[in-house]
Amino acid sequence: DGGITQSPKYLFRKEGQNVTLSCEQNLNHDAMYWYRQDPGQGLRLIYYSQIVNDFQKGDIAEGYSVSREKKESFPLTVTSAQKNPTAFYLCASRVFGTNEKLFFGSGTQLSVL
Amino acid sequence: GENVEQHPSTLSVQEGDSAVIKCTYSDSASNYFPWYKQELGKRPQLIIDIRSNVGEKKDQRIAVTLNKTAKHFSLHITETQPEDSAVYFCAASKGSNYQLIWGAGTKLIIKP
Repeated sequence: DGGITQSPKYLFRKEGQNVTLSCEQNLNHDAMYWYRQDPGQGLRLIYYSQIVNDFQKGDIAEGYSVSREKKESFPLTVTSAQKNPTAFYLCASRVFGTNEKLFFGSGTQLSVL
Repeated sequence: GENVEQHPSTLSVQEGDSAVIKCTYSDSASNYFPWYKQELGKRPQLIIDIRSNVGEKKDQRIAVTLNKTAKHFSLHITETQPEDSAVYFCAASKGSNYQLIWGAGTKLIIKP
């Protein structure tokens, strides 16, 4: 689904550094989500946004921050407070207020140097 | 809160045989149950879903069944092929914010 783009594909973080993962969609979706995926585990919700300038914490928000200044964009910052950031991060979007399918980005693999 | 358990964590079947993956959910108010497939290194994609007013749904070789009384739903893949090898995730949602609660995933291996 080329409508949702994540970058970069691979990202390395140094100790004490904040890094930002990009997520852009051109599907005109109101709802956007950030998930963390660890090996052998399901998708865990970090943050979600249902409308511009509004977002809510998911199950594992500690050490992460987001913004939603534009409908198309939902960047995720992994702060130095996140002590175990190594994981595969997936961004997703869908039509707000429905059970329509989630469209996922291709993911960002974050590793610690 | 809602919890979704998925079994087995790994399933190995001979090519051409059937595969069944099962999920149970805890909240009886859940009303939507999708299945996503994630091939190695790729993004998850919806393969089939079912709503609580339906007991079974089929799409070619893939089917999903829902037992609301027992609070479980299953993915059935018949005549498995090598391209079915992937991790499969179930999920459940309810309520006005339609948040999905995910199972831990099943790695399906198709043996030639």
